[in-house]
Order: sequence, then C-alpha cells, then structure tokens
Amino acid sequence: AQSVTQPDIHITVSEGASLELRCNYSYGATPYLFWYVQSPGQGLQLLLKYLSGDTLVQGIKGFEAEFKRSQSSFNLRKPSVHWSDAAEYFCAVSGGSNYKLTFGKGTLLTVNP
Amino acid sequence: DAGVTQSPTHLIKTRGQQVTLRCSPKSGHDTVSWYQQALGQGPQFIFQYYEEEERQRGNFPDRFSGHQFPNYSSELNVNALLLGDSALYLCASSWDRTNTEAFFGQGTRLTVV
Repeated sequence: AQSVTQPDIHITVSEGASLELRCNYSYGATPYLFWYVQSPGQGLQLLLKYLSGDTLVQGIKGFEAEFKRSQSSFNLRKPSVHWSDAAEYFCAVSGGSNYKLTFGKGTLLTVNP
Repeated sequence: DAGVTQSPTHLIKTRGQQVTLRCSPKSGHDTVSWYQQALGQGPQFIFQYYEEEERQRGNFPDRFSGHQFPNYSSELNVNALLLGDSALYLCASSWDRTNTEAFFGQGTRLTVV
C-alpha cells in the first residue's frame, strides 16, 4: 500500500530564511509525487508535481522539490520564505492504476517577521 | 472560470441523520474525487467518480455513497452520521482519472453533534 510520511508536524522559520520540508513515500513502482498547500479555511492548491523525467521540479510561488528515488524522498524547498507562505503543506503520492492521492499528515509552517 | 465549487460551506447535523454534500467540477473536468480531512490530518480518499460510475473507493464504510450526474457534478451522501464523521469534506476534479492535475474546492465543514 502506498503511504507518505511527513516527519515534521510544525516548522517555524524567519522571513527571508530558507525552507526545506521533508517528505518520504512508500510505493511499489515509480510514483507520481505532489506538494499541496492549504491556507486556513481553504482547499488545497497544487504547488508542484513530479510525474517523470527531470528529478528537480519547479513550482509556483518560488518553490522547488527534488525526487530522490534512492531515499524515497520528495523534499520541498524555497530559498527565501515570505510571510504569506505561512500555511499547511501536504505531500501526496499516486501512480500506476491507483489514481487516488494518498496524503501525509501535513507540516504546519509558521513564519516569524 | 469558477473553479471547483462545493456547497454548503458549513453544516451541523445530529447523530443518526443523513447528509448530502454537493460539488461542481472545474469547467472541462469530467472526474470527481471526494476526500475526508479530519482535524489535524491529511485528506483521506473516499471515492472517485468518472462517467457517472464509482471507479475507485477508499477504506470507508457503505454509509458513504455518491453519485455523478451527466453534467459531471457530484454528490456525497453519508447515512447514519457518527460523531467521527465530523470533518472537512473536499471535492477534487480533474480532466482524467490519473489525478495528475487535481483541483480542490474549499470544502464543506460538517459537524455532527
């Protein structure tokens, strides 16, 4: 069965600092991997995705993520965090004939001024 | 483009009652998936509808059922409500079953008392 682990429940960074959110997945074949962001009271917005090809993917709002098959990881990065990035971030996996998105429990990001 | 719209935004029900949640997919999308997001958790897949049929189902009891209409809109029905059914219910639409570009609505917050 596919699964996602986000080891960090809550991360606090200062505005302007760099950010890395961790994601580890379990999937039997080559996965599709996604990062979503959820602001309070809102639905989920897709930040970026890996389907195939280049393992470094660029997304919206200056985010990027790198797929590392050997480590079963898909960590999300941003070089300089803005106060508006404060939100909850979810990593998800799907693939093959199993189209459902399986999400991690999320990482809450707090940005200090 | 209105995106994915869900109704109602909030509702309160009593244990044992039945509830119907509604979702209109993004224009051009024909696949609708439903997710349950309990407080502090990631979304959990309930089921996916395509061509008016349930195509894939997550680990939810038969009390959860759905429907997709010819215009691709969808309903989620939950019978015999339990306190544990209190959650944010998210609808996601996509233009194919692979969910490689799923768009989420803002959700319906269901409270069971």
